[in-house]
Amino acid sequence: QVQLQESGPGPVKPSESLSLTCSVSGGSVSSRSYYWGWIRQPPGKGLEWIGSIYYTGSAYYNLSLKSRVTMSVDTSKNQFSLRLRSVTAADTAVYYCARQRSGSYFMPWGQGTLVTVSS
Amino acid sequence: SYVLTQPPSVSGAPGETARITCGGNNIGIKSVYWYQQRPGQAPMMVISFDSDRPSGIPERFSGSNSGNTATLTISRVEAGDEADYYCQVWDGSSEQGVFGGGTKLTVL
Repeated sequence: QVQLQESGPGPVKPSESLSLTCSVSGGSVSSRSYYWGWIRQPPGKGLEWIGSIYYTGSAYYNLSLKSRVTMSVDTSKNQFSLRLRSVTAADTAVYYCARQRSGSYFMPWGQGTLVTVSS
Repeated sequence: SYVLTQPPSVSGAPGETARITCGGNNIGIKSVYWYQQRPGQAPMMVISFDSDRPSGIPERFSGSNSGNTATLTISRVEAGDEADYYCQVWDGSSEQGVFGGGTKLTVL
């Protein structure tokens, strides 16, 4: 069964960039049936969709974050990545990666990784 | 942008039926997905395509969707059902994923 695992460098300073990678096992990011998504959850708050990317590199981004977000796919490593620029404390959240059936639901999810933006 | 509205909290005693609503403009023409999130865990889908149960989800969980409201119904509520529940749609007109604000289910 497909499993996803987020990884990242840890705390990020304000105005810098946040970079995360999601490693996929038990399945291929090159699958034509799925997109690969990022969702975040600030502490004590709800879920926010960040964006979804297809293995070809075609991506959809949350319009409220679009100016700061870039997603990419590395099919050779079976990974996909998120970069969020010019972060502030408001970007502090647990970041989840998930497989998305094209145009529909997210399943399964990674365990999530907490990214703290602090000076 | 498309907005989904959920009540912040719902409660019920063990054995009762809990209903969690998700409101959206003409949501009945969209497919709705429901996720359960227990504390410290990643969300897990409990209902897909309005009313389908993924493998392993108890029959106590059911969903419906019509007009401007989708509903997640949990029959014979158990202590283990206490969690946050989120509805989600894909807005094809804007190619955006949308989550509701979440509802905390408290089992009394």
